[in-house]
Amino acid sequence: NAGVTQTPKFRVLKTGQSMTLLCAQDMNHEYMYWYRQDPGMGLRLIHYSVGEGTTAKGEVPDGYNVSRLKKQNFLLGLESAAPSQTSVYFCASSATSGRPDTQYFGPGTRLTVL
Amino acid sequence: DAKTTQPPSMDCAEGRAANLPCNHSTISGNEYVYWYRQIHSQGPQYIIHGLKNNETNEMASLIITEDRKSSTLILPHATLRDTAVYYCIVSSTNDYKLSFGAGTTVTVRA
Repeated sequence: NAGVTQTPKFRVLKTGQSMTLLCAQDMNHEYMYWYRQDPGMGLRLIHYSVGEGTTAKGEVPDGYNVSRLKKQNFLLGLESAAPSQTSVYFCASSATSGRPDTQYFGPGTRLTVL
Repeated sequence: DAKTTQPPSMDCAEGRAANLPCNHSTISGNEYVYWYRQIHSQGPQYIIHGLKNNETNEMASLIITEDRKSSTLILPHATLRDTAVYYCIVSSTNDYKLSFGAGTTVTVRA
């Protein structure tokens, strides 16, 4: 199993450009999450999904959109990138509908917005 | 409104036990204590979790006080590869997200 993979690993954007970050998991997990991590800080939840076709807002959803068209994929979109969105983005997934569960994280995407 | 309090940093000698404290004085009855760690530039990695009882797995032990207001993560024989930021997280059965604070930066020294 590859676990949780993220594409791309690095990206540099100019202000106003758009892009999509792809997260894929091969563990048949129901739940998927997008977090961002700014330097010296912990992770903050952007959006999450409790199943295929569903999405919900996390702590810091502004400026991002997400889609979960397939169970194994969770896409994070930036429609008009801003320098404040320079960060490391982590995707995670978890299995169960009950608690507690374990979140499995991908390796991260390092995004710089100039 | 941080739910947990951890020391910002600690050092540990290689081969010795590392004891990482966490205070969660406002924990409620349905909230679990989770520990994750993040090795530099990597995604966080689950270590262990518990509700009331002490727990042990191949990575670590978790000691939760009887009143559940604090806990200690024990890495029994720290190695250089255990150098990481360790996060203590309190999460309820109804809460999907994990709230990561600043964590404790643990440096294992040879």
